[in-house]
Amino acid sequence: SQQGEEDPQALSIQEGENATMNCSYKTSINNLQWYRQNSGRGLVHLILIRSNEREKHSGRLRVTLDTSKKSSSLLITASRAADTASYFCASAGGGADGLTFGKGTHLIIQP
Amino acid sequence: NAGVTQTPKFQVLKTGQSMTLQCAQDMNHEYMSWYRQDPGMGLRLIHYSVGAGITDQGEVPNGYNVSRSTTEDFPLRLLSAAPSQTSVYFCASSYSSSGTGTYGYTFGSGTRLTVV
Repeated sequence: SQQGEEDPQALSIQEGENATMNCSYKTSINNLQWYRQNSGRGLVHLILIRSNEREKHSGRLRVTLDTSKKSSSLLITASRAADTASYFCASAGGGADGLTFGKGTHLIIQP
Repeated sequence: NAGVTQTPKFQVLKTGQSMTLQCAQDMNHEYMSWYRQDPGMGLRLIHYSVGAGITDQGEVPNGYNVSRSTTEDFPLRLLSAAPSQTSVYFCASSYSSSGTGTYGYTFGSGTRLTVV
């Protein structure tokens, strides 16, 4: 398996705090993507960062990529109860065989 | 609403039965794929297609067949269901035919399959 790993597996914080999730991957990539999955639902694309980028922002999301360490992080600022979900990183290796997903971080925002 | 539609949402099969999970997208995406999601395993790729008439195997293809006769549809067939195929199945599509998901993937809402 070429699956990456997210860290931590579970994270519980207070509303308003920042949440940081980390992801490691195993092979060289074309891009790395982050997805959110609410309980019992499909995955929703959040943000994509290309291999030649180091940081990207979208609203309250900030993603960093360190290709030398084969790692990425997702920061959610000023968390809200609605951010409670599982978050997955997915790496695209450039081939046609799609995305390789990590096992996810389950984020709980306490009101 | 534009997106990926999966049917059925829930299904219970007996061991040895066959069935087809349906997936349709109306975004004119070239790339379509099937994943299965198991607790503690994340999502694993079953089969994918880079366009009509072209399919290939992913990480866990055994026990599954696919075909892509149109751009819109990408059905997944379970040939002879086994308890190990109990899982949640997701269909996903992407604008880029390369599979790199340049603009991200759009996922369906999933089919929860139980094989008894």
